[in-house]
Amino acid sequence: EVQLVQSGAEVKKPGESLKISCKATGYSFMFYWIAWVRQMPGKGLEWMGIIYPSDSDTRYSPSFQGQVTISADKSISTAYLQWSSLKASDTAMYYCVRHEADTGSDYWGQGTLVTVSS
Amino acid sequence: DIQMTQSPSTLSASVGDRVTITCRASHSINNWLAWYQQKPGKAPNLLIYKASILQSGVPSRFSGSGSGTQFTLTISSLQPDDFATYYCQQYDSYSLLTFGGGTKVEIK
Repeated sequence: EVQLVQSGAEVKKPGESLKISCKATGYSFMFYWIAWVRQMPGKGLEWMGIIYPSDSDTRYSPSFQGQVTISADKSISTAYLQWSSLKASDTAMYYCVRHEADTGSDYWGQGTLVTVSS
Repeated sequence: DIQMTQSPSTLSASVGDRVTITCRASHSINNWLAWYQQKPGKAPNLLIYKASILQSGVPSRFSGSGSGTQFTLTISSLQPDDFATYYCQQYDSYSLLTFGGGTKVEIK
């Protein structure tokens, strides 16, 4: 069974760094793209970027380029999303998603709620 | 960049109604269009991919159609479990996989 299990909710202060994770099981992690999607409170879905774990090919939405870093560790089938300096506007739910060429975003993690507040 | 325009943003309907949601792409995306359903507090769930193929386990009252730049999601007979928010997403280009703005289906 394919599962994406994300790390738990985080409460941080502005300016702090953060790395959240997404552990994949039930399929060959290396050979499927993993994307990250942001959902701000009461708002729609925003696609942030995507990584292909096999060769670490990474693409970012222009809206998120330079704001976050997406990475993956093939040895433990885990993808990451990180910030070097959080802002209050980063408060949101973040989903990791397996993306397949034919079927699109077919499996979603449960989401990680990030709250940034002083 | 490909923009996805979804309409309406809100839809009020009754159980048993036929419901149609539209998604328009700013450029041709061939058939690389998916539809997702999201319920409050939950992750989205894939309903339809490649514009018209029903994901395994999704009820047959859901259907998708279209190609190029114009796509529709139809619910043939709205059920109580279908009140949710629906999103389209283009996946023609892996440089930017854009979502539509969402359509909230509410009880009339």
